[in-house]
Amino acid sequence: DIVMTQSPLSLPVTLGEPASISCRSSQSLLHSNGNNYLDWYLQKPGQSPQLLIYLASNRASGVPDRFSGSGSGTDFTLKISRVEAEDVGVYYCLQARQAPRTFGGGTKVEIK
Amino acid sequence: QLQLQESGPGLGKPSETLSLTCTVSGGSISSGNYHWGWIRQPPGKGLEWIGSIYSDGTTYYNTTLKSRVTLSVDTSNNQFSLKLSSVTAADMAVYYCARHSGIAVPDYYGMDVWGQGTTVTVSS
Repeated sequence: DIVMTQSPLSLPVTLGEPASISCRSSQSLLHSNGNNYLDWYLQKPGQSPQLLIYLASNRASGVPDRFSGSGSGTDFTLKISRVEAEDVGVYYCLQARQAPRTFGGGTKVEIK
Repeated sequence: QLQLQESGPGLGKPSETLSLTCTVSGGSISSGNYHWGWIRQPPGKGLEWIGSIYSDGTTYYNTTLKSRVTLSVDTSNNQFSLKLSSVTAADMAVYYCARHSGIAVPDYYGMDVWGQGTTVTVSS
């Protein structure tokens, strides 16, 4: 199985400041079709997870453009350009390159 | 707007089989190239993918759970189901169902619709 490793585990952030989360996979998520099968999800407190980014860099419908995803192969990053109060929660990466799908352990983002 | 709703007993006994159903509304479970999956989250822990099923019955399972998991789909009732056998306290979690694209497909859009989740407790 592909192992997904996120860092940091916890990320205290200041409102209006940028934030960055890293996700690394034990195998390449790059397919021969050119797609990196890596998603990012946000689970706000008391809610179901919601899709933010798919294929490493594509924002899902309705996701603010302050969220961006980048990376290829085994190293990926989620960036928030200016953190807002509604961005608090736990962020997860997920690989869909091969079965079984596997999630990263999560990064908890909280306001300082 | 597509919606998913989990249902099933919130309480089970050790060694018994847990059965949950996800009802799809606002769209057909057979339309599009979507897979229908289950994800769980133990209290205070992260997300764990359990498995997924396509409308033709093709299934994919978590490696560590596959000996105890059975997924099925009922296209006539627009539902898919999860059975987890020999449950223990380690299976206590919030169980989510979700719609997602297939593994490594060109038209991939992630896990874009989730249910609200249902809490399962295992206790004698």
